[in-house]
Amino acid sequence: DGGITQSPKYLFRKEGQNVTLSCEQNLNHDAMYWYRQDPGQGLRLIYYSQIVNDFQKGDIAEGYSVSREKKESFPLTVTSAQKNPTAFYLCASTSSGRYNEQFFGPGTRLTVL
Amino acid sequence: SQKIEQNSEALNIQEGKTATLTCNYTNYSPAYLQWYRQDPGRGPVFLLLIRENEKEKRKERLKVTFDTTLKQSLFHITASQPADSATYLCALALNSGYALNFGKGTSLLVTP
Repeated sequence: DGGITQSPKYLFRKEGQNVTLSCEQNLNHDAMYWYRQDPGQGLRLIYYSQIVNDFQKGDIAEGYSVSREKKESFPLTVTSAQKNPTAFYLCASTSSGRYNEQFFGPGTRLTVL
Repeated sequence: SQKIEQNSEALNIQEGKTATLTCNYTNYSPAYLQWYRQDPGRGPVFLLLIRENEKEKRKERLKVTFDTTLKQSLFHITASQPADSATYLCALALNSGYALNFGKGTSLLVTP
C-alpha cells in the first residue's frame, strides 16, 4: 500500500534534548512538508522541500532542522533551541504540479517533559 | 499580512440537515483553495479543491463555492450524518509554490 508513515506515534523527551521525527513516503512524491499543530490551532508550516537536497523555511522554522537526502524521506529534528516543542507534528507530501492535494501521515505527538 | 479565518465556534446540527462552513481570507490572491477533514489525533484528509476560475465544485454530498470578489469559500455537506462529525480545514496556496496555509478549522458535530 502506498502512503506516508511517521514514527513514532508518541514521543517523550526531556527538556534540552534534540529529537528527530521520521517521515517516509512511498508515493513517489517530489514535495514533502512538515507542519506543527497545537490544540485548537490550524497547521503551521515548519519546513518544506520540493526536490531532493533542497528545502525552504516555513513560517515557524526557528528551532527546527530538516534534511532531504532521499526522495522518500524527510526527517525533522526538533532542537533544544525550540522554546515550546510539545505539539502534534504532521508530515505531508504531494506530487509535482500546482493543483495537487497533500497526503498526510498519521502524525507524531511530541511531549517534552 | 495574509490571514485565513474559519468559524471559531463549533457547528452543531441535526442529522439530515445541510452543514455550511465558511472560510474567509485576506491579502491573498490564491490560485486555488482546498478543503480537508481532520479527525481527532489523525492527519487531515483531502476532500475537494476549487480553482480561482471555478465558482462551484461538487463531490457526492459535498459542495464548495469560491467567490474571489468576496474572498470567501463556503463548504456544504448535504444530508449530514453523525459520521461527518470532524474538524474541517480550508487551505490556500502560498504564492511561492506548492506549500499551503491552513485555517484553524471548524469543528462540526452532527447529532442523530
